[in-house]
Amino acid sequence: DVQLVESGGGLVKPGGSLRLSCGGSGFNLTRYSVNWVRQPPGKGLEWVSSISGSSLYIYYADSVRGRFTISRDNARNSVFLQMDGLRPEDTALYYCSTSGGDSWGQGTLVTVSS
Amino acid sequence: EIVLTQSPDTLSLSPGERAILSCKTSQSISSTSLAWYQHRPGQAPRLLIYGASTRATGIPDRFSGSGSGTDFTLIIRRLEAKDSAVYYCQQYGSSAWTFGQGTKVEIK
Repeated sequence: DVQLVESGGGLVKPGGSLRLSCGGSGFNLTRYSVNWVRQPPGKGLEWVSSISGSSLYIYYADSVRGRFTISRDNARNSVFLQMDGLRPEDTALYYCSTSGGDSWGQGTLVTVSS
Repeated sequence: EIVLTQSPDTLSLSPGERAILSCKTSQSISSTSLAWYQHRPGQAPRLLIYGASTRATGIPDRFSGSGSGTDFTLIIRRLEAKDSAVYYCQQYGSSAWTFGQGTKVEIK
């Protein structure tokens, strides 16, 4: 079964760090650009970051630029989101998705609270 | 940054009726860069339409998309209970995605 699987979410204090992972199960993720999208509680979808298959092209939303770093390890068929300097407004369900939008994970919850 | 504005915020309709959802962009975009998603609570977003009018794999023909420039529309015909969800339009430019704020479709 082809799917994306996110992991790494949890509860962290403001200013703390988390590293999210997105793995491709049943397909070769290296062929795809991958995006991170988040949904704060009770709000809509917000794009966070994207990375091309070769890691040559990397983009961030203004709200996370300078604090979040996207990367990938094609040998491990995985994409990562290193989140530093976390703020309460980063609290959200974080999804990874392929570039065409046709494959999504179920999300991993990040809660930033003291 | 391109801003997407959806209307209405909420639609409350009966089974069998037709839903018409609007998405307006703050500047003209290529129709190849506009998609629609269905998002049910507790589930991952589901791609319905890409390229403004092409149904994604497995999407029934009750769902149709149209539009160009700054005005795009998603129509859901013969509404069913399982269509209850939030629907988002999205533009996917060369460097970023942006989403509309969503339209909640409620089935009476």
